[in-house]
Amino acid sequence: EAGVTQFPSHSVIEKGQTVTLRCDPISGHDNLYWYRRVMGKEIKFLLHFVKESKQDESGMPNNRFLAERTGGTYSTLKVQPAELEDSGVYFCASSQDLGTQYFGPGTRLLVL
Amino acid sequence: GQQLNQSPQSMFIQEGEDVSMNCTSSSIFNTWLWYKQDPGEGPVLLIALYKAGELTSNGRLTAQFGITRKDSFLNISASIPSDVGIYFCAGQPPDSWGKLQFGAGTQVVVTP
Repeated sequence: EAGVTQFPSHSVIEKGQTVTLRCDPISGHDNLYWYRRVMGKEIKFLLHFVKESKQDESGMPNNRFLAERTGGTYSTLKVQPAELEDSGVYFCASSQDLGTQYFGPGTRLLVL
Repeated sequence: GQQLNQSPQSMFIQEGEDVSMNCTSSSIFNTWLWYKQDPGEGPVLLIALYKAGELTSNGRLTAQFGITRKDSFLNISASIPSDVGIYFCAGQPPDSWGKLQFGAGTQVVVTP
C-alpha cells in the first residue's frame, strides 16, 4: 500500500510568486492534515480536512494560504503571493478516522 | 494556546549510550505521541500513549504518559548509529478532533 505522497519535494520561488503544493493521502483515509515546520521550530498544524470539508482551519497563517480538497481525495495548498516567512517544510498527513496520522515526506519551500 | 516544551534541543552521544528526552505542556493532553524524522523524510510514529501513567515499550524505546497528563518522556537504550534523527513529541489536546501539537524536536547525533 502506498504511503502519503507529496509533490514537489522541493520548491524555490521568489517573493511575490505563487506556489501550489499537492498531497495524495493513503487511499481510503478521509482525514487529511497540513502541517508546517519553519527552520528549527516545532511542526505547526495548519488545517484538517474530513473528506472534502474543512474540519479545522485554525492554524492557517493568513489569507495568502488556500487549501482545497475537491472530491475528497488529493489536496492542494496554494500560497499566493509567497513571502519570505513562508519558507519551511510543509507536511501532509492522513488518517483513518481520528487514529494514527501517517506523514508524507514533506515539501521543502524556500522563498527568496 | 498550549505551550509544549521539548528538551533537550540536541544530544551528541556515543554508540551504546542511553538517551532520554522529555516534553512538558502547560495544559493537559489526551494522547501523547513520539515521532522520529529521518533526513528528507516525514515524521514516523514510534510510540503512542493514551492513558495517564501508561508506560509503553517498542524495542529499545520506552515512553511514558505523565500522571498529570502534562508531560511525557522517551528513552532510547543502547543507542546505535541509525538512531540519528530528530525526535518529536506531539500531544492531542481535549476536543482537538485529531489536531496534533508538536514540540520543537530533539536532534540526536550518535557517534561510533
